[in-house]
Amino acid sequence: SQQGEEDPQALSIQEGENATMNCSYKTSINNLQWYRQNSGRGLVHLILIRSNEREKHSGRLRVTLDTSKKSSSLLITASRAADTASYFCATDAQGAQKLVFGQGTRLTINP
Amino acid sequence: DGGITQSPKYLFRKEGQNVTLSCEQNLNHDAMYWYRQDPGQGLRLIYYSQIVNDFQKGDIAEGYSVSREKKESFPLTVTSAQKNPTAFYLCASNTFGNTIYFGEGSWLTVV
Repeated sequence: SQQGEEDPQALSIQEGENATMNCSYKTSINNLQWYRQNSGRGLVHLILIRSNEREKHSGRLRVTLDTSKKSSSLLITASRAADTASYFCATDAQGAQKLVFGQGTRLTINP
Repeated sequence: DGGITQSPKYLFRKEGQNVTLSCEQNLNHDAMYWYRQDPGQGLRLIYYSQIVNDFQKGDIAEGYSVSREKKESFPLTVTSAQKNPTAFYLCASNTFGNTIYFGEGSWLTVV
């Protein structure tokens, strides 16, 4: 069963614009993580946000977490062509020692 | 360098044949995971292991087997009972509750 669900499934924007992706989940979590995957490659970890945190930043990335709505968002500012990839959220459900992934958002940055 | 090594990168399986994918980590992580990814899809958990000599089934364990005889190694065998094994397989590890790190993945194709 899928815990995290990303929205939108696909997003296409112009270089320099901001990209926002959302993730919803169903049960209480310990933490939520965002990953990037280039085609045919492994996943690269971007940010981990714990259930008692509301916002985290890393360079051009900003992640928010709203546990009351069971949702998170990933904002990429000033997008670049190299940001073209699939982005996944993963949740570490309380009481479950495993990480469950959503279907991902395919982001395309047009030059 | 520390990290997770998966081999082989590409593997071809004949009908009725068992194949084993290797996963080695030198991060001293307790937990290791195997995920399957079909084209354009998210990751689905096959098996995971929190400690040596112990492992649990994930969401799609049928047709797969694993072992965890050493902390750093978690091989995955795709058996002939797995009727649709063509996919991208990802190995990962972490210290529970913290960032999960991924290998570069292995492509398995049935010929």
